[in-house]
Amino acid sequence: EPEVTQTPSHQVTQMGQEVILRCVPISNHLYFYWYRQILGQKVEFLVSFYNNEISEKSEIFDDQFSVERPDGSNFTLKIRSTKLEDSAMYFCASRGQGYEQYFGPGTRLTVT
Amino acid sequence: GENVEQHPSTLSVQEGDSAVIKCTYSDSASNYFPWYKQELGKGPQLIIDIRSNVGEKKDQRIAVTLNKTAKHFSLHITETQPEDSAVYFCAASPSWDDKIIFGKGTRLHILP
Repeated sequence: EPEVTQTPSHQVTQMGQEVILRCVPISNHLYFYWYRQILGQKVEFLVSFYNNEISEKSEIFDDQFSVERPDGSNFTLKIRSTKLEDSAMYFCASRGQGYEQYFGPGTRLTVT
Repeated sequence: GENVEQHPSTLSVQEGDSAVIKCTYSDSASNYFPWYKQELGKGPQLIIDIRSNVGEKKDQRIAVTLNKTAKHFSLHITETQPEDSAVYFCAASPSWDDKIIFGKGTRLHILP
């Protein structure tokens, strides 16, 4: 069964450093998303991406965040200068033509 | 924007009994309501969903109901088993957009 994969599973970084989180969506999907989940809280929408451009972004997704689909398979989230409050679980999701969004296992980002 | 409320936050049921989780949403334009199960250390897994043109949907031991007038929807799990123990999230997606807005989650414990 096709699934969304994410790397790394855990990333530790120092405040102010740049991080790139990587995702490989399901191969025939066209819509891509990033969500985050701070420990013990709800899953929050960050950004949606379609046809090589951002469709929508939330208030959380400020100038420090960017997304890219550098090739036909990867979808990345970059945080330029990490802050302590960026520590969270980051989930990538993808969907095809239907409504269903399928989530990856997540990357736990710890900013120290 | 859309707001999804979910309760209870924690639910304990005896193995074999039924579990019910209830959610309300605020945006009458929402037309897609997925339910996700999240096990420890994993990403949200889509378990069932319902569209606004349907009042009820069932898949084996899991059923969802939707009341558009009252703007609430529920998840019913019958004949609960130990592997049903997890956090369950309800969610809603507005018709004009495809981001998913999550509830805060319900931690379901199945007692032996």
